[in-house]
Amino acid sequence: AQSVTQLGSHVSVSEGALVLLRCNYSSSVPPYLFWYVQYPNQGLQLLLKYTSAATLVKGINGFEAEFKKSETSFHLTKPSAHMSDAAEYFCAVGGTYKYIFGTGTRLKVLA
Amino acid sequence: DTAVSQTPKYLVTQMGNDKSIKCEQNLGHDTMYWYKQDSKKFLKIMFSYNNKELIINETVPNRFSPKSPDKAHLNLHINSLELGDSAVYFCASSPRTTHNEQFFGPGTRLTVL
Repeated sequence: AQSVTQLGSHVSVSEGALVLLRCNYSSSVPPYLFWYVQYPNQGLQLLLKYTSAATLVKGINGFEAEFKKSETSFHLTKPSAHMSDAAEYFCAVGGTYKYIFGTGTRLKVLA
Repeated sequence: DTAVSQTPKYLVTQMGNDKSIKCEQNLGHDTMYWYKQDSKKFLKIMFSYNNKELIINETVPNRFSPKSPDKAHLNLHINSLELGDSAVYFCASSPRTTHNEQFFGPGTRLTVL
């Protein structure tokens, strides 16, 4: 069975600081991994996805994530946080007609 | 153009009522989904449909009945609404293969009083 675990339900960073949101996965087959962002009262929007082409994946809004098989991790980073990054972030693993989402991490950006 | 649309956006109703949520996608995708997001933002899949055929039913009570009249539509009907059904319901679609992203609708906030 596939699963994802997001460490830290709430993360606070100062504006301009590094953003690091953690995601670990479990999968018996090569995983397809995703990060989504959800702004208040909106649906989920794809930030980036890993499909085995490259271990470092760049996404929208300056976010990137690195796939590390040895650590079963797919952490999301952004070098410099902006106020507009405040949102809920979800890591997900794609299965057969079924995507498993993590429990989400709320990112708060402090001025 | 809206890729995945849902109606209504808000739904407030009394316990015991029956209600429906409609979903349409104009992306030409084969697969559509319903998710339930609870108050803690936990997102759980309810149903997956591929080409109008039910593929996954994640132990959802049979008060919930999805219907897919065609590949572009997946509606959700809920009978005998309960307080615990209060949540945000998201529709999503994707191309058939699993390594493609899902496109989400804006959500329907259901409040059962």
